[in-house]
Order: sequence, then C-alpha cells, then structure tokens
Amino acid sequence: EAGVTQFPSHSVIEKGQTVTLRCDPISGHDNLYWYRRVMGKEIKFLLHFVKESKQDESGMPNNRFLAERTGGTYSTLKVQPAELEDSGVYFCASSQEGGYHYEQYFGPGTRLTVT
Amino acid sequence: RKEVEQDPGPFNVPEGATVAFNCTYSNSASQSFFWYRQDCRKEPKLLMSVYSSGNEDGRFTAQLNRASQYISLLIRDSKLSDSATYLCVVGDTGRRALTFGSGTRLQVQP
Repeated sequence: EAGVTQFPSHSVIEKGQTVTLRCDPISGHDNLYWYRRVMGKEIKFLLHFVKESKQDESGMPNNRFLAERTGGTYSTLKVQPAELEDSGVYFCASSQEGGYHYEQYFGPGTRLTVT
Repeated sequence: RKEVEQDPGPFNVPEGATVAFNCTYSNSASQSFFWYRQDCRKEPKLLMSVYSSGNEDGRFTAQLNRASQYISLLIRDSKLSDSATYLCVVGDTGRRALTFGSGTRLQVQP
C-alpha cells in the first residue's frame, strides 16, 4: 500500500511569491493533517480535514495560508505571499476514521525555503 | 513551559545497551500518546502507541503514568539501526491535533 506522498520535495522561492504544496493521503484515509517544522522548533500542527471539511484550523499562522481538499482526496496548502519566516518543512499526515488512537502516518515533507 | 518536554540528548550508547527516554506533558486532558522516530531529514515514523497499561513491541517498551503526566520508552539490546531522534507525541481529547516534543537523539555506537 502506498504511503502519504507530497509534492514537491523541495521548493525555493523569493519573498512575496506564491507556493502551492500538495499532499496525497493514504488511500481510504478520511483524515488529513498539515504540520510544519521551522528551524530549531518542534513540529507544529496547522490543520485537520475530515474528507473535504476543515475540522480544525487552529494552528494556521495567518491568512496568508490557505488549505483546500476538494473532493476529499488530495489536499493543497498555498502560501501567498510567502515571508521569510515561512521557511521550514511542511509535513502532511493521514489517518483512518475510527480506532482508539487515530494513528497518523506522515509523508516525506516539503522543504520550503523563502529567500 | 513547553507542552511536551523531552531531554534532547544526545544519548550515546554502545550496541547491546539498554536505553530509556522520558517525556512529560503538561495538558492533563491528553488522551493519546505515541512515540515516533525520525531519521535525519526524513519524516516522523510511528514507532508505537502508548497504552495506559503499558505495552511492548519486541525490544521496545512504552509506559504511561497519567498521575505524573509522564511517558517513557525503553529500548533493549540497542542496534546501530536504532540511531535516530525519538519524538514523544501527545493528542488531546476531542482533537486530532498532535503535540510534538522536540525529540531525543540516540546514537548507537559499534
């Protein structure tokens, strides 16, 4: 079974530009999450989708970040306009519905560098 | 104070050693507990969930103490391939958002 996939693996953009990250969850996983690790900090939660609905977006840093999951399959995270502090690794994770612990499985991440 | 605290290490141990990592969490409403391992520049990989009664998976044993808000991971008979950063991760009641510790780095030496 394929794991969570993310595209691109790396992105280097200039401050003020726009970048769109994509995540494909494990097939059949209704729950999809975005996390971010900025340099020297812990991995932090950004938001959670259940199918196409945003269940929890309490971790989104500001309105320059827009996440979508049209059709409840893959998700995109757009940063517009990008700022220097947005640099970091963006991880996507997915989990099945049901089960006690809702174990989350992570993708390889997108390393974003804003210059 | 961080929500999930871990000793950053590094822990340098010889092959075959037993090593223990500890973690404390601040939110008493937390309900889900996990250990993930992360290799350099890779994604976190789920190592094991931590159950209230404690659980074991081969050489790995996890314990939870809710009263003290403390989680531990014991690795027996360390292998070179165990070298990684071990992340203590906590989930809250009613939310799926995970809170990560900053990780403990383990280096197993030949």
